Amino acid sequence: GAVVSQHPSWVICKSGTSVKIECRSLDFQATTMFWYRQFPKQSLMLMATSNEGSKATYEQGVEKDKFLINHASLTLSTLTVTSAHPEDSSFYICSARDFNGDGEKLFFGSGTQLSVL
Amino acid sequence: KQEVTQIPAALSVPEGENLVLNCSFTDSAIYNLQWFRQDPGKGLTSLLLIQSSQREQTSGRLNASLDKSSGRSTLYIAASQPGDSATYLCAVRRNSGNTPLVFGKGTRLSVIA
Repeated sequence: GAVVSQHPSWVICKSGTSVKIECRSLDFQATTMFWYRQFPKQSLMLMATSNEGSKATYEQGVEKDKFLINHASLTLSTLTVTSAHPEDSSFYICSARDFNGDGEKLFFGSGTQLSVL
Repeated sequence: KQEVTQIPAALSVPEGENLVLNCSFTDSAIYNLQWFRQDPGKGLTSLLLIQSSQREQTSGRLNASLDKSSGRSTLYIAASQPGDSATYLCAVRRNSGNTPLVFGKGTRLSVIA
């Protein structure tokens, strides 16, 4: 199946700093990527939908100025957590949409565990 | 708004047992339904995907069924093994295109040797 690479897999940062997470589709072009957040023992909650070349669409309650999403190419979307605080500590995971002759599927990255001290 | 519920939240079984995990969703107008496995601190592994026109999918010891009209899906695991211990997530998608998956909270499965 298609491969989605997410980097870094874990990051520890000080409060007030910014962290960038990358999501790459390695063997397909992804016009759409989704960013999710997962708190301990909770399910994955959609944060935003990212479309190549346009502004991301954020879910209600997600601050677009805090969680900056850039989808400048068909294979790369980035999520930047700006001025991170301990409450932003969470597991972040991306998903990329692949459409081919067999239909359409969503593939997931391996996730990024963010810990803000 | 679509809501996905998984029951039970946690399950512990002895090795070798067959088991069923349940998933229900409130809006039956779905494009597909997918079952995932998630190990602690890890990403998602896709287990089975059922298109809205299908009733079940099988892979090895896993069988997933879909009853779209009643908003239910089950994941059947045969002859469980300790290596099956993980959280199992059910997710549904309303449409193709810019439509994301909506996840349940998962069932944490422990298979005891």
